[in-house]
Amino acid sequence: AQKITQTQPGMFVQEKEAVTLDCTYDTSDQSYGLFWYKQPSSGEMIFLIYQGSYDEQNATEGRYSLNFQKARKSANLVISASQLGDSAMYFCAMREANTGKLIFGQGTTLQVKP
Amino acid sequence: DAGVIQSPRHEVTEMGQEVTLRCKPISGHDYLFWYRQTMMRGLELLIYFNNNVPIDDSGMPEDRFSAKMPNASFSTLKIQPSEPRDSAVYFCASTFLAGVATGELFFGEGSRLTVL
Repeated sequence: AQKITQTQPGMFVQEKEAVTLDCTYDTSDQSYGLFWYKQPSSGEMIFLIYQGSYDEQNATEGRYSLNFQKARKSANLVISASQLGDSAMYFCAMREANTGKLIFGQGTTLQVKP
Repeated sequence: DAGVIQSPRHEVTEMGQEVTLRCKPISGHDYLFWYRQTMMRGLELLIYFNNNVPIDDSGMPEDRFSAKMPNASFSTLKIQPSEPRDSAVYFCASTFLAGVATGELFFGEGSRLTVL
């Protein structure tokens, strides 16, 4: 069965510093996708970034980058130059190849300190 | 463009009552997902539809839960009878085929259900 693990329930980072949120996954599929979503305190889910299992380069979207290490089955999110508005819960997710379903990890709460 | 619209935003009901949550997906999206979020279990996929047809309902907790999508612009999630353990935030999300591949789901603001 496919599984996403986020081992950090909560993280703190100083404003303007970079932070890495960990995500490991387990799958026997050769083709899969990995994603990160942000959930601010207001509750909506915001898509941040996508990495395909065959992509050779790490995905980047503005201040977000995905550190994809296939052999280690990890897909960590790196946020550079943290801002107060980055305070939120962050979810790692994986797409099942056969069904297209998204499976989410438990989430990591990030607090950015001024 | 309007996003995914869910109603009601908040619902408080008593155990045993029927609850109906509604969702209007983004026009042109042909995939619709229902997720449930709780502190204990995180985000769980309940069911998803493609072109109004239920594709996978393996996440539906039990027979008390049912979901329908009578047309491309409307879906309901019904709980009958409701129980306190059903208290959660229920999200509806929609996307198109390319969005399924890249994981870009467009979420509604959620319906917060409290069952007393």
